[in-house]
Amino acid sequence: EVQLLESGGGLVQPGGSLRLSCAASGFTFSNHAMNWVRQAPGKGLEWVSAITASGGDTYYADSVQGLFTVSRDNSKNTLYLQMSSLRAEDSAIYYCAKGYCSGGSCYYHDHWGPGTLVTVSS
Amino acid sequence: DIQLTQSPSFLSASVGDRVIITCRASQGISRYLAWFQQKPGKAPKLLIYAASTLQSGVPSRFSGSGSGTEFTFTISSLQPEDFATYYCQQLNGYPFTFGPGTKVDIK
Repeated sequence: EVQLLESGGGLVQPGGSLRLSCAASGFTFSNHAMNWVRQAPGKGLEWVSAITASGGDTYYADSVQGLFTVSRDNSKNTLYLQMSSLRAEDSAIYYCAKGYCSGGSCYYHDHWGPGTLVTVSS
Repeated sequence: DIQLTQSPSFLSASVGDRVIITCRASQGISRYLAWFQQKPGKAPKLLIYAASTLQSGVPSRFSGSGSGTEFTFTISSLQPEDFATYYCQQLNGYPFTFGPGTKVDIK
């Protein structure tokens, strides 16, 4: 059974940093692209970032480009999101999602973790 | 970046009703579109990918169609467990983007 479990969320002051983790199990982690998606309280879904299976390529939403860094450790089956210069508008539930990509195209995020809440406030 | 719009943003329906949601892309995305269902306090659930392919285990009352810039999501006969918010997502190219969502409520 595929399982994804995010951790690392919490309360952080504006301008601060936080690193989220996503522990994966139940599938061959190193074969799959992974994504981060966030949802501000009462708002819709916002795709944040993706990383290819090897970790060689990373992608970001315009809103976090240059502020967030996605990485992975395939030996530990773990995905990370390093967030810096956090702002109030970064407050959200952060989900990691397993991707399916083939032949240079991506088709879906089929499994999601329960999410971890990040609150940016003084 | 590719923008997605959904209509309606909210709809009120009864059990047994046929529900149709439209998703429009700001530029052509071929068939790289997925549909998700989200219930309060839960992670999104993948229902349909590649515009019309039903994810394993998803009931056949859910269906999708379309290509290019216009897509449709249909629930043929609304069930009590279907009251939720539905999102489309394009995966044609990075950055991936989601539509704003359609909340389906009980009439």
